[in-house]
Amino acid sequence: EVQLVESGGGLVQPGGSLRLSCAASRFTFSSYWMHWVRQAPGKGLVWVSRINSDGSSTNYADSVKGRFTISRDNAKNTLYLQMNSLRAEDTAVYYCATSISRLFYWGQGTLVTVSS
Amino acid sequence: QAVVTQEPSLTVSPGGTVTLTCGSSTGAVTSGHYPYWFQQKPGQAPRTLIYDTSNKHSWTPARFSGSLLGGKAALTLSGAQAEDEAEYYCFLSYSGARVFGGGTKLTVL
Repeated sequence: EVQLVESGGGLVQPGGSLRLSCAASRFTFSSYWMHWVRQAPGKGLVWVSRINSDGSSTNYADSVKGRFTISRDNAKNTLYLQMNSLRAEDTAVYYCATSISRLFYWGQGTLVTVSS
Repeated sequence: QAVVTQEPSLTVSPGGTVTLTCGSSTGAVTSGHYPYWFQQKPGQAPRTLIYDTSNKHSWTPARFSGSLLGGKAALTLSGAQAEDEAEYYCFLSYSGARVFGGGTKLTVL
């Protein structure tokens, strides 16, 4: 069974930075697109970003473009999300996800809280 | 960026039928948007119900079906059960970006 484990969340002040990681296992990580999706407390799912299998192509939601950077290290089977210039509205649980044979697999999420 | 719209909430009686819809601010939803439907229950990660408009996964109950209806993607639940009470999200693909709808809270009552 595909396993995705996020880490790196925590409390950060507005304007600060944080890097999230997602450790992938039990599938061929280097073959698949990866996504970040977030969910603010009590709110809906919001797609954040995606990256292709070799890291050469990325896409972002308008709300994070220019502030967040998605990347991956296929040698380490790890996905990253570098988040800069954080705002209160970035407070959410951040999930990494992948689609294999049209089925989305999700991690358990990591909570990011942006507050002074 | 496109905005994807869903009914904020719907109620269905046990055994009844309900249709959830998913519209796009850019125009009609087509198969080229590869519509997904996810189900999410409190405290859980989302689960894929439908992909590419109407395709089901092995665990998708037969009472769920996906389609295109009147320029929107649609998820129809026929024979609702108490366990179907959940939040449902559609997910559309645009060139590059992906967008979730705001979700529909489905109550079985």
